[in-house]
Amino acid sequence: EVQLVESGGGLVQPGRSLRLSCAASGFTFDDYAMHWVRQAPGKGLEWVSGISWNSGSIGYADSVKGRFTISRDNAKNSLYLQMNSLRAEDTALYYCAKAKLSGFDYWGQGTLVTVSS
Amino acid sequence: DIQMTQSPSTLSASVGDRVTITCRASQSISSWLAWYQQKPGKAPKLLIYKASSLESGVPSRFSGSGSGTEFTLTISSLQPDDFATYYCQQYNSYPGITFGQGTRLEIK
Repeated sequence: EVQLVESGGGLVQPGRSLRLSCAASGFTFDDYAMHWVRQAPGKGLEWVSGISWNSGSIGYADSVKGRFTISRDNAKNSLYLQMNSLRAEDTALYYCAKAKLSGFDYWGQGTLVTVSS
Repeated sequence: DIQMTQSPSTLSASVGDRVTITCRASQSISSWLAWYQQKPGKAPKLLIYKASSLESGVPSRFSGSGSGTEFTLTISSLQPDDFATYYCQQYNSYPGITFGQGTRLEIK
């Protein structure tokens, strides 16, 4: 059974940093690209960042470029999102998602990030 | 970035109805489109990928069509479990993946 479990969310002040983790199991992690998607309270889905199976291709939404860094450790079956210079508008539930050829076929339950003073 | 526009934003329908949700892309995305269903407090669930391919385990009352800039998600006969929010997502312009704003399907 595929499982994606996010962790690392919490309450953080504006301008500070936070690192999210996603532990994957039930599939061959290093065969697939992985992504982070967020959802602000009561709002729609926003793609944040994605990384290819070997970290050779990485992308970011314009809203986080230069502030967030995605990475993965295939030996640990883990995905990460380093979030720096956090802003109030980064407040959201952050999901990690497994990619297939077109679309994201498995999602975690999310970890909540709240940016507030 | 490619913009995805869904219509309608809200749709009221009854059990047994046939419903269609439209998603338009600001430029051609070939068939690189997916549809998701999301229920309150839950993660999104993939329904359709590559515009018209049904994800494993998804009921056959769900179907997708379209290519280029215009796409549709059709539910042939609404069931009580189908009342949820639906999102389209384009996967053509990586890294600029984008979602539509969502369509809330509610009970009439």
